[in-house]
Formats: sequence, structure tokens, C-alpha cells
Amino acid sequence: KNEVEQSPQNLTAQEGEFITINCSYSVGISALHWLQQHPGGGIVSLFMLSSGKKKHGRLIATINIQEKHSSLHITASHPRDSAVYICAVRSWYGNKLVFGAGTILRVKS
Amino acid sequence: EAGVTQFPSHSVIEKGQTVTLRCDPISGHDNLYWYRRVMGKEIKFLLHFVKESKQDESGMPNNRFLAERTGGTYSTLKVQPAELEDSGVYFCASSSGQPNTEAFFGQGTRLTVV
Repeated sequence: KNEVEQSPQNLTAQEGEFITINCSYSVGISALHWLQQHPGGGIVSLFMLSSGKKKHGRLIATINIQEKHSSLHITASHPRDSAVYICAVRSWYGNKLVFGAGTILRVKS
Repeated sequence: EAGVTQFPSHSVIEKGQTVTLRCDPISGHDNLYWYRRVMGKEIKFLLHFVKESKQDESGMPNNRFLAERTGGTYSTLKVQPAELEDSGVYFCASSSGQPNTEAFFGQGTRLTVV
């Protein structure tokens, strides 16, 4: 079992819908990252969280340290949001990131 | 400011050949990481440099993989001899020396071993 689990694996939404991607982890962490990768593109960091909530434009990320759970929300989704969204955690005992398998999001117009 | 750059973007080689991947981190970033995504699997850690020193190489699959970071600037990852299972996308990331700072990723090198 991977230390970082994401759900769903695949998600298809209609333009304008509110989207939630979930991430659960089993290790103690110093930070959690949400990353985005467009088809054929590189990996872009969206958020780095250690507590609470962050917002950037239509994207919101939350984390509950006690429950070892984080969510990424996209409001008013748009086809350009179609990408792979990856959750990754940095554990307390090292600097490396441990990645979830990613969520493939497709937003249809 | 230039981001993390990786060369080449794609490489197709035959089994048994040697390939060298290069990563140029953001200038001034002490931390440099190599990661790999094998088809259908999650991205996995390979190793971590702090300046020119290997801080953690626990993710290196076997001794066919050799990473260097001479002078603490760019890094190379050599695979010799390449095997079919080495195919995947190799990502490099860098971050500053401060704890818990954001990591910046390169575009990745897609390696195909045939």
C-alpha cells in the first residue's frame, strides 16, 4: 500500500462544475504539495501546505493534519484545468517527496 | 530567472546502451532531486543532492544508475547499461537550502529503452 493515496484516479467533469480531489497519507509529514501536470508538460507546484487552507484563484487546498487528509478543490472548472493532479508529501525524517499516483482530470466544455 | 532545465527531453536507446541525462537546477539551489515515473506507476524518488554531496540515494534502483553533481551545480544521471525496465520519465527538481521550501520541477526526460 502506497504511503500516499489519491482519489479518484480518474475524474470527468462538465465545465463549470465544482471539483474535489482527495489525498490521504499514512506518515508524519512536514509539508504536503499539490502539483499539476498538463499533457506533455512539466510538473508545476500549485500549493505547499503544512496546515489550514490556501487559495489561489479558483483553486483551494485544505489539509487536516490530525486526519492525515488533504483536498484540492477547483471552483468553476474549465477545460484548461484538464491535467493530472498529484499529491506529494514530505515526511518528517527526510527531504524527499513521496507521491500519490495522481488524478487524471478531464473537464468537458 | 531560468527554471529547472533537463536535457534531453526525449531519448530512445537500445537495450545495453548508455544514456546520460542532465539537470540544471535553479541557480543557487543547494538541493537537487531526481525522481522517476515508470509507466502506470506513481513518481518515485531516486536520490537527493545537497550541493555536491549525495544526501540520500536510497531510491536508486541498482548499480547501473550513477548520479553526479560535480561542483554542486548541474547534475547528470547515467544509466549503463540500459534495460527495458528503465523506460520512463525522469524528473529533476531543485529547492533552496532553507527547510520546507517549494520544490521546482523540470520538464522531465522521457527515456525509452527498446
